[in-house]
Amino acid sequence: KAGVTQTPRYLIKTRGQQVTLSCSPISGHRSVSWYQQTPGQGLQFLFEYFSETQRNKGNFPGRFSGRQFSNSRSEMNVSTLELGDSALYLCASSLRLAGGPVGEQYFGPGTRLTVT
Amino acid sequence: AQSVSQHNHHVILSEAASLELGCNYSYGGTVNLFWYVQYPGQHLQLLLKYFSGDPLVKGIKGFEAEFIKSKFSFNLRKPSVQWSDTAEYFCAVNALTGGSYIPTFGRGTSLIVHP
Repeated sequence: KAGVTQTPRYLIKTRGQQVTLSCSPISGHRSVSWYQQTPGQGLQFLFEYFSETQRNKGNFPGRFSGRQFSNSRSEMNVSTLELGDSALYLCASSLRLAGGPVGEQYFGPGTRLTVT
Repeated sequence: AQSVSQHNHHVILSEAASLELGCNYSYGGTVNLFWYVQYPGQHLQLLLKYFSGDPLVKGIKGFEAEFIKSKFSFNLRKPSVQWSDTAEYFCAVNALTGGSYIPTFGRGTSLIVHP
């Protein structure tokens, strides 16, 4: 089975721009979660999508948004980029059951975003 | 808000030494607990998990963890480490908070094993 894939792997953007990151989950996984990983804050949960609906949301500003398509692929968008948004953005998919918690997660390689 | 504390940020051991990495969480309800590992240059991957039942869980590569509910702990152990265990280890908790399950990760522990 193919693992979780994320594109692009590396990205350099300028302050004020917006960016869209993409994630393809493992086949059959309907839950996709996004995380921001930085040396200072560690892994922080952004949001989770399940069956095209955002089910859970972490404590991030509204500039961070996402969506999920009918094939479970997900995109994350960050608008009006700030220097502090520089981070590794990880996507994880899971075989979550409807109404249940996110269980074991399978992580992708991440997208390294640098904001200058 | 729930939190996860990993007490050891950096651990350096020699091969064959025993390992115990601490993990404590702050949540009184039902939790699902995980340890993930990130080997150099690789993705985060699951080491072991606890949902319910036997509080002593066994994972891959000889790792185990014990859930002690009264201590809100889920410490990771391995009796004899190998050089290939050099990696970053993350404890994670999934708990029902305000009607939603919010996964929370610890800050990670960097383990270096000298041959």
